[in-house]
Amino acid sequence: NAGVTQTPKFQVLKTGQSMTLQCAQDMNHEYMSWYRQDPGMGLRLIHYSVGAGITDQGEVPNGYNVSRSTTEDFPLRLLSAAPSQTSVYFCASSTPWDEQFFGPGTRLTVL
Amino acid sequence: DAKTTQPTSMDCAEGRAANLPCNHSTISGNEYVYWYRQIHSQGPQYIIHGLKNNETNEMASLIITEDRKSSTLILPHATLRDTAVYYCIVRVAKGNFGNEKLTFGTGTRLTIIP
Repeated sequence: NAGVTQTPKFQVLKTGQSMTLQCAQDMNHEYMSWYRQDPGMGLRLIHYSVGAGITDQGEVPNGYNVSRSTTEDFPLRLLSAAPSQTSVYFCASSTPWDEQFFGPGTRLTVL
Repeated sequence: DAKTTQPTSMDCAEGRAANLPCNHSTISGNEYVYWYRQIHSQGPQYIIHGLKNNETNEMASLIITEDRKSSTLILPHATLRDTAVYYCIVRVAKGNFGNEKLTFGTGTRLTIIP
């Protein structure tokens, strides 16, 4: 049972490039979420999903897309990277009733 | 979800009990209090949660005041590995939508002193 896995661990992009951050969980959790954490700040919700085929926006969705075609995977796409998207990105999963389990994070730098 | 207020930082001597306060004066009757912590730059880790009764597990104890407007997380015998940022979060009750979108504040940075 690997829990929540995220790839890559580190990524450097140039402004304007696009990329996909991967998130997978093997706990059969219905709920999955993406957060970003800027230095000295708490986590802020980007997008979330309550089941396959269902996604919705969080607090800071601009510049990001998500889809949820399977229960296990919830990729986050950066459409055109900007320096303001330099951050640490965390994926989380849970059942509707229990605590969230977080992945180890992806550290993204946009130059 | 109700807003929470926590001290920015706290120190605690190793081996002593660490008491972390949280104010949530606008909490609703169907909202739980959750505590998570984040060690260094790792993903947050669940600690404990409660509705109105005191709760205890292998990691910590949670004391919620009778009016539910504040709570205290207690780490009974703090170790150096407990140095982390601790987040107090209020969210809707189990079984309702809300578990997918936690609202994190800036938390309390707890430093355990050798």
